[in-house]
Amino acid sequence: SQQGEEDPQALSIQEGENATMNCSYKTSINNLQWYRQNSGRGLVHLILIRSNEREKHSGRLRVTLDTSKKSSSLLITASRAADTASYFCATDHPGTTDSWGKLQFGAGTQVVVTP
Amino acid sequence: DSGVTQTPKHLITATGQRVTLRCSPRSGDLSVYWYQQSLDQGLQFLIQYYNGEERAKGNILERFSAQQFPDLHSELNLSSLELGDSALYFCASSVAGGTGEKLFFGSGTQLSVL
Repeated sequence: SQQGEEDPQALSIQEGENATMNCSYKTSINNLQWYRQNSGRGLVHLILIRSNEREKHSGRLRVTLDTSKKSSSLLITASRAADTASYFCATDHPGTTDSWGKLQFGAGTQVVVTP
Repeated sequence: DSGVTQTPKHLITATGQRVTLRCSPRSGDLSVYWYQQSLDQGLQFLIQYYNGEERAKGNILERFSAQQFPDLHSELNLSSLELGDSALYFCASSVAGGTGEKLFFGSGTQLSVL
C-alpha cells in the first residue's frame, strides 16, 4: 500500500514560473525524500529531509516538512522546460527491521513546463 | 547514469511463462531493492536485499522470487506470468540499505505479457 499522496496529480506551468507540489502521508516517518522521473526512465533522487528538519534547500528546490500535519511540499523555483517530469515523494517509516530502509512512494505529480 | 544496470530493457512474453530480470548495483552498494511500476498501482516496493540476505518484503506475489548473489548482483524471477504483471520493473541500490539513504535507480525493465 502507498503512504504518500501527492497533490496535484498534474501541473502545467510556463518557464520561469514556480511549481509547488504537496505530499501527505499517514504514519510517522524517519525521513522523506523527493525523486524525479523523466518519462519512463529511472527515478533520480532530488532531496532528503529528516523528521527533525522543517525546511531544506538544494539549488532551485525547496522542501518543507510539517510532521504535525504529516505533509511535505516541494517548490521548484524559476522552472525550465527540462523540469518537465513526474515528481514523487517517498517516505521511510520507523518500525521493525522489516521496514528498515524501505521507501514507500506516492502516486506522483506530473509537471509540464512549457517554453 | 546512476551506475545501476538492469537487463534486459524490454521483455515481451506470453502468459504462463517465466522470466528473469537482472540487476547490477552501483559499485560499493550492498543493498538492492526491486520496485514494480504500473499505471494502476503506481510504484510498489517488492523486496530488498542486503549483502545477500533478504532484508524487507513488500507486495511481492508468491509467483515472484528474488535473490542477491555473492557478487551483489540480483535477479528477480517472475513465473506463471499473467497479463496484469505487465509493468516497468525497477532495481535500485543503496550503500547499506539503512534509513536515510538515497536510492539509485536503474533504467528499468519494461515487461509486456501478451
